Amino acid sequence: ETGVTQSPTHLIKTRGQQVTLRCSSQSGHNTVSWYQQALGQGPQFIFQYYREEENGRGNFPPRFSGLQFPNYSSELNVNALELDDSALYLCASSLFYNEQFFGPGTRLTVL
Amino acid sequence: EDKVVQSPLSLVVHEGDTVTLNCSYEVTNFRSLLWYKQEKKAPTFLFMLTSSGIEKKSGRLSSILDKKELSSILNITATQTGDSAIYLCAVGFGNEKLTFGTGTRLTIIP
Repeated sequence: ETGVTQSPTHLIKTRGQQVTLRCSSQSGHNTVSWYQQALGQGPQFIFQYYREEENGRGNFPPRFSGLQFPNYSSELNVNALELDDSALYLCASSLFYNEQFFGPGTRLTVL
Repeated sequence: EDKVVQSPLSLVVHEGDTVTLNCSYEVTNFRSLLWYKQEKKAPTFLFMLTSSGIEKKSGRLSSILDKKELSSILNITATQTGDSAIYLCAVGFGNEKLTFGTGTRLTIIP
């Protein structure tokens, strides 16, 4: 059974740029959630996708957007990057009523 | 707004000690409480608790939920250096958002 994978591992961007982060869910999982974890903080919910539809969104501006594909993999897109977007971005997959399993994350640095 | 508070924020103990980590929550629609261990990047799943008073156990780790007190504890007995990590508590469910606490940073001194 393959776990949750994310790419890239690290990314450095400058303010104003756009970034796309990718996540492959664990085999058989149909729900993908994205979280932002700033240094010293717990993960904060960005949004969740279930069967290719957005299924809930946290307090993040519209420049944070996402997609889920038919194979349940997912993308997180962030436009007009700001310095405060620097964080660890975590993807988690789950199968409806069960626990969420996390990927290794993408460390984004915005200069 | 849902809220999860963990205590202590940081804990330093010697190898072999027993530790108890605390988590309290205020949520509008409680479904479950989860504990994760985060060593470097990926939080790894430890326990999911839905019923009050039923202890879940895995090796030296155990956890219990108290719905009356809106809280949970995570116990680690005979701690080892490999237990050094950030322990995260979250409330939520598989098909809903998880609301996390700030975490407890546990350091085990050999």
